[in-house]
Amino acid sequence: SYELTQPPSVSVSPGQTASITCSGDKLGDKYASWYQQKPGHSPVLVIYKDSKRPSGIPERFSGSNSGNTATLTISGTQAIDEADYYCQAWDSNTAVFGGGTKVTVL
Amino acid sequence: EVQLVERGGGLVQPGRSLRLSCAASGFTFDDYGMHWVRQAPGKGLEWVSGISWNSGITDYADSVKGRFTISRDNAKNSLYLHMNSLRPEDTALYHCTKGKEGAAVRNDAFDIWGQGTMVTVSS
Repeated sequence: SYELTQPPSVSVSPGQTASITCSGDKLGDKYASWYQQKPGHSPVLVIYKDSKRPSGIPERFSGSNSGNTATLTISGTQAIDEADYYCQAWDSNTAVFGGGTKVTVL
Repeated sequence: EVQLVERGGGLVQPGRSLRLSCAASGFTFDDYGMHWVRQAPGKGLEWVSGISWNSGITDYADSVKGRFTISRDNAKNSLYLHMNSLRPEDTALYHCTKGKEGAAVRNDAFDIWGQGTMVTVSS
């Protein structure tokens, strides 16, 4: 079965850039989406179709996808961005999520 | 306001059945594919099942195939998940989610999420 691999954790200082990777076989041939989840809350879609931002998502969130790796970038990271982030893609008519990355803003 | 509200969770013994429901409001329900995604306590997200706008396509994760059935009633703006032969590993918060871009159930993102309903499978 298809797997997406994310680093368990990423730390970033306020105002700096956080990059979260998501690796999967030929992931660049698929669309990647990203979700933010804060404790006790439901996930929120922050990026879809590799790099598109839904309405209401700040411009500091951006995405890219090429080769075997999709990347979510948070520019000018703020304390409110501290959360778990999940990548997601489709393979063989099945939606697959990565294991999640905890972003800590130190 | 776009909203999804799940109901039907609870404590159930292994091998028993349960039906979850999801009431949708604030959007044209039959314009979109719909999905169930679950999250075990302290764990990550796991897609469970999806259904196209007209129920013509249904997909399942291997972990639930043959035991769970997804369905929808567009007249009632409702999504359902019938769960049979429940196992302890099915214990999770079950979220109803809406496909972002339209009627297709595949290759779509999930843009609206309900708060979830907790299912606990234990003797």
